[in-house]
Amino acid sequence: KQEVTQIPAALSVPEGENLVLNCSFTDSAIYNLQWFRQDPGKGLTSLLLIQSSQREQTSGRLNASLDKSSGRSTLYIAASQPGDSATYLCAVRPGTGANNLFFGTGTRLTVIP
Amino acid sequence: DTGVSQNPRHKITKRGQNVTFRCDPISEHNRLYWYRQTLGQGPEFLTYFQNEAQLEKSRLLSDRFSAERPKGSFSTLEIQRTEQGDSAMYLCASSPRTGWGSNEQFFGPGTRLTVL
Repeated sequence: KQEVTQIPAALSVPEGENLVLNCSFTDSAIYNLQWFRQDPGKGLTSLLLIQSSQREQTSGRLNASLDKSSGRSTLYIAASQPGDSATYLCAVRPGTGANNLFFGTGTRLTVIP
Repeated sequence: DTGVSQNPRHKITKRGQNVTFRCDPISEHNRLYWYRQTLGQGPEFLTYFQNEAQLEKSRLLSDRFSAERPKGSFSTLEIQRTEQGDSAMYLCASSPRTGWGSNEQFFGPGTRLTVL
């Protein structure tokens, strides 16, 4: 069974700092990997999706990379802002064609003004 | 609002009662998913529909849980004889079969269930 791990579980940074969130998965046979943001008590907002054949995706201040062979992805956030405070989740879709996503437990980010 | 909608947003019930949640996917999304998220954990997959057909079910979906999507549009998730361990956020997601966004899942705001 696919296991997804996110480190660190929580992170606190001062405003303006660049930061990296890590995601690792045990089965490298994935179809794609998706990064989500979740605000307290809310649903998930998709941030970036990386197909298995891609190495990275960028959206504004966010950059996600994928190293499928080593089972790792990183989410880089540049020039962090207090509004970035949320829990960030990564999820992988199996390469078997199954439609379910396997999620990590998330990294809770706090950006201090 | 053209996103995924879920109702109710919050539900408090007593142990042993039945509850039903509704999910309305994004218009013309023929794929629909249900997940459960307990406090401090990532979402866990429950079931998947393509149109009205339920094609995948997780072992988490015990016989007290049933999901339907009768006309291939909205879906309902029913939990019978609720237990305190059923307390969680129930999330619904949808995606189109082809075209833009077909590889992504778009999530609704969730229904938070509390079983007393």
